[in-house]
Parts: sequence; C-alpha cells; structure tokens
Amino acid sequence: ELKVEQNPLFLSMQEGKNYTIYCNYSTTSDRLYWYRQDPGKSLESLFVLLSNGAVKQEGRLMASLDTKARLSTLHITAAVHDLSATYFCAVGGDSNYQLIWGAGTKLIIKP
Amino acid sequence: NAGVMQNPRHLVRRRGQEARLRCSPMKGHSHVYWYRQLPEEGLKFMVYLQKENIIDESGMPKERFSAEFPKEGPSILRIQQVVRGDSAAYFCASSPPAWQETQYFGPGTRLLVL
Repeated sequence: ELKVEQNPLFLSMQEGKNYTIYCNYSTTSDRLYWYRQDPGKSLESLFVLLSNGAVKQEGRLMASLDTKARLSTLHITAAVHDLSATYFCAVGGDSNYQLIWGAGTKLIIKP
Repeated sequence: NAGVMQNPRHLVRRRGQEARLRCSPMKGHSHVYWYRQLPEEGLKFMVYLQKENIIDESGMPKERFSAEFPKEGPSILRIQQVVRGDSAAYFCASSPPAWQETQYFGPGTRLLVL
C-alpha cells in the first residue's frame, strides 16, 4: 500500500530565509504533484513531476523528484509572507488516476 | 475558461438529513474525482467518475454515500442520513481524458452536521 509522508508538518520561518519541505513515499510511482492550499480555500496546482531527476521552478519555489530515493523536495528561496499556506504532495497510485496525499505542511512566514 | 465549480459552498444539515453536493467540471474535462478533507488533514480519495460511469468508488463508504455523473448536468455526491462524522470539506476535481494530467480542484463544499 502506497503511503506518503511529508515533513515537517508545521514550519514557521522568517521572511528572507530558505527552507525545504520533504515528501517521501513508500512504493514505486511515476508521478508526483505539489499543491498549495490557503486557509478555507481550494487546492492550487503548483508542479507536476513525471520523471527521475525532474526539477521545476516557479518564482521562489523549486520542486525536484528522485524516484530511486522515493523522495521529492519543495524548496523555498528567500521566503515572503505571501507564501504562507499549506503545501501538499500527492503521489500517483497503482491506477492511472488515483492520488495518495500527504498530510500537508503548514508553512507560516513571519515578516 | 471557468474553473471547476461546486455548490453549495457551505451546507448545514441535521443528523438524519440528506446532503447533495454538486460539481461541474472544467470545460473539456470528462473525468471527475471526489475527495474528503478533515480539518488539518490531507485529502482522501472517494470516487472517480466519467460521464455516466463510476470507474472507482473504492474510497467511498459502502453505506449512505453515492455518486453519479450523468450525461447532462453536474456530478452529484449524495450523503443520506448524515451523521456528525460526515462533517468535512468535500472537494471535487476534474481532469482531461489523459492520464498523468493534473487534477484541477473546485472551491469545495464545507458540510457541517449538527
């Protein structure tokens, strides 16, 4: 059974700092997604990673995938307050469509 | 291009009543997924539908819950005889008919059972 673990689950950091969120998964998968959720809101797609070594960047966020280690990272560079949100990773399951979700990392960035 | 639409956004029901949640996918999307999210938790898959077909309902409770995606109109998630434990946010997502495609989420329906 595929399990997805994120850590940390909660992160409070200062503006301007760098940090990394980790997403580990337990069995082989060929796709991994990162989403952002603001409080009381829906989920916004950030990145889709489909191959080993894939790296994608958007603004201050960069995501990477290591399928051999079964690990994805979401790196935040020079954090700003607007990036405060909960970040979820979701990993493709056995079927083409099913996603298994991590518990989320709640990120608070203090000015 | 309108995104995924869900209504109502908030729904309050008393125990034993029925809850009907509606989802209209993005234009051009024929795949619909329903998820449940409890506070401070990730999403749990409930059901995957294509037009007039339930493809996978393995995440849905066997009793009281049902889903449909008719040829015309929105997808409906129906919860009969609601209990307090059904209180959660229910999200609908849609995707184009190709695997590995990103799922796009609606704003969710927050169900509160009194």
